[in-house]
Amino acid sequence: EIVLTQAPGTLSLSPGERATLSCRASQSVDSSYLAWYQQKAGQSPRLLIHDTSSRATGIPDRFSGSGSGTDFTLTISRLEPEDFAVYYCQQYRNSPYTFGQGTNLEIK
Amino acid sequence: QVTLKESGPALVKPAQTLTLTCTFSGFSLTTSGMRVNWIRQPPGKALEWLGRIDWDDETYYSPSLKTSLTISKDTSKNQVVLTMPNMDPVDTATYYCARSPAGSRYFDYWGQGTLVTVSS
Repeated sequence: EIVLTQAPGTLSLSPGERATLSCRASQSVDSSYLAWYQQKAGQSPRLLIHDTSSRATGIPDRFSGSGSGTDFTLTISRLEPEDFAVYYCQQYRNSPYTFGQGTNLEIK
Repeated sequence: QVTLKESGPALVKPAQTLTLTCTFSGFSLTTSGMRVNWIRQPPGKALEWLGRIDWDDETYYSPSLKTSLTISKDTSKNQVVLTMPNMDPVDTATYYCARSPAGSRYFDYWGQGTLVTVSS
């Protein structure tokens, strides 16, 4: 099973700042099998990024994904108030499909 | 538009069998490459993929649950059913169904989730 480790566990930033979230895999997931999701309290996860860097339908271009192999990054260029949430990465290179433990992006 | 919705009991007793139904619309599970997954999330914890069923009736399960999990579908009703026997308090979680688009394995549409509590 591929283990995903996200860092940091909690990220405290202010609106307008840049956020960089990391996801590291225990083995390679290639460059195309990594997704990112946003989850707000009491809501279902929402797909942000698939195939490492492709934005899902309706996702603003301030969200971008990058990486390959075992190291991946989600970047939010300028934080909006609605961006404060928990973010999960997910690999779908191998079954079982696994998620990271999440990064809690909170308002500073 | 694509929607999914989970339904089933909110409370089950230990050792009982959980049956959850995912009713979906806006796509067909007879379309080649389409998949529906079950994912759960214990309170305050991360997401865990449980398994999926494909358009061709193939099923895949997480090895940690493989021996106890069954996923089936009724394409005439646009439903996918999750069955988990021998429920334990550690299985308390919000259970989601989610679609994977044709040819891929990420989750582009999610249901609202249903909280299942396992307690006597």
